[in-house]
Amino acid sequence: DAGVIQSPRHEVTEMGQEVTLRCKPISGHDYLFWYRQTMMRGLELLIYFNNNVPIDDSGMPEDRFSAKMPNASFSTLKIQPSEPRDSAVYFCASSLVLGDTEAFFGQGTRLTVV
Amino acid sequence: AQTVTQSQPEMSVQEAETVTLSCTYDTSESNYYLFWYKQPPSRQMILVIRQEAYKQQNATENRFSVNFQKAAKSFSLKISDSQLGDTAMYFCAFMGGGSNYKLTFGKGTLLTVNP
Repeated sequence: DAGVIQSPRHEVTEMGQEVTLRCKPISGHDYLFWYRQTMMRGLELLIYFNNNVPIDDSGMPEDRFSAKMPNASFSTLKIQPSEPRDSAVYFCASSLVLGDTEAFFGQGTRLTVV
Repeated sequence: AQTVTQSQPEMSVQEAETVTLSCTYDTSESNYYLFWYKQPPSRQMILVIRQEAYKQQNATENRFSVNFQKAAKSFSLKISDSQLGDTAMYFCAFMGGGSNYKLTFGKGTLLTVNP
């Protein structure tokens, strides 16, 4: 398997624009996590899914953030409208809980909002 | 809610020496998983070692070992024979068991290995 795949690797956008981050988890994994990493806050869990169903979205900072998982092989994190304080690295991770429980991370998307 | 605390923002060690990174956590669950992840400058998150709470034996992976103290809710990472390539951010993480597999991270410890 190619691992968790995130796109794009880098995104630069202007304030007010919509941003969509994409994630393809490892095939067969039943959990998917979205994290935001900043120097100030470290790795924050934004939302996670089990079998495509959102379980806990309490980490989503505000209504401008939304996440979906329409099927087992794809998830998106959308920010609309984007603001400069959203600049961060966004990670997606997937896990198969039954078995060698471990979260595998994508390479992350570095988002810069100017 | 689970919380993970890493009290050492930065540490340094000389090459070939041993260093221990600290981690404590808070949970009311009895079954859970603990992890140490490494994040080098490439920003890739790499699993270093994993511990299941129901296992009393401390996990080891080559030069990496943990000291898991369940009653004290402590999970420290020992790196033996430190190498320059060990320079990275190290994150302690907690994943609940049972019906809640939420994965929560500490703030991280920046480890620098000096030649």
